[in-house]
Amino acid sequence: AQTVTQSQPEMSVQEAETVTLSCTYDTSENNYYLFWYKQPPSRQMILVIRQEAYKQQNATENRFSVNFQKAAKSFSLKISDSQLGDTAMYFCAFSHAGNNRKLIWGLGTSLAVNP
Amino acid sequence: EPEVTQTPSHQVTQMGQEVILRCVPISNHLYFYWYRQILGQKVEFLVSFYNNEISEKSEIFDDQFSVERPDGSNFTLKIRSTKLEDSAMYFCASRRLMATNEKLFFGSGTQLSVL
Repeated sequence: AQTVTQSQPEMSVQEAETVTLSCTYDTSENNYYLFWYKQPPSRQMILVIRQEAYKQQNATENRFSVNFQKAAKSFSLKISDSQLGDTAMYFCAFSHAGNNRKLIWGLGTSLAVNP
Repeated sequence: EPEVTQTPSHQVTQMGQEVILRCVPISNHLYFYWYRQILGQKVEFLVSFYNNEISEKSEIFDDQFSVERPDGSNFTLKIRSTKLEDSAMYFCASRRLMATNEKLFFGSGTQLSVL
């Protein structure tokens, strides 16, 4: 069965600095998708970034980028130029490439951006 | 951007009572999901629904749970006899297609409190 592990329950960063959140996963599949979701205090789930396993190039969305290491089964999120609005829970999630695409989630990392 | 709508935002019920959580997915979406998030724990997949039937369900989704798409727009989750451990945030999500770049849209969640 697939599992997703986030080993950092809490992190903090100064505004404008860069922070990296870690995620590892376990799967025997070769084709799958990885995601980072942000959950602010409103508890809305917001997609931050997505990576297809068959793509070697790391995904980037503005200030957010990932370091996808397929062999190591690692999928870290880098937030550059951190902003106060980035304060949230961040969840790493996995889905296989089949018809259902249910998400399997990590426990989350609580990120605080300090002024 | 289109939205998935969930009502109510908060629901308080007595143990043993039935509750119905309502979701209005985005109108042209075909795949529907329910997830739950117990405070401090992982987000968990409950059930997926496609073509008017359950496509996959988790071990959590036992006989006390049911889903329905009664009128082509609403997507409901019913818990027949609530337990204390059903207290959680319940998220509805929908997707238009299973294509690689199709985004999963989440609702804002219903916080269920079972007393």
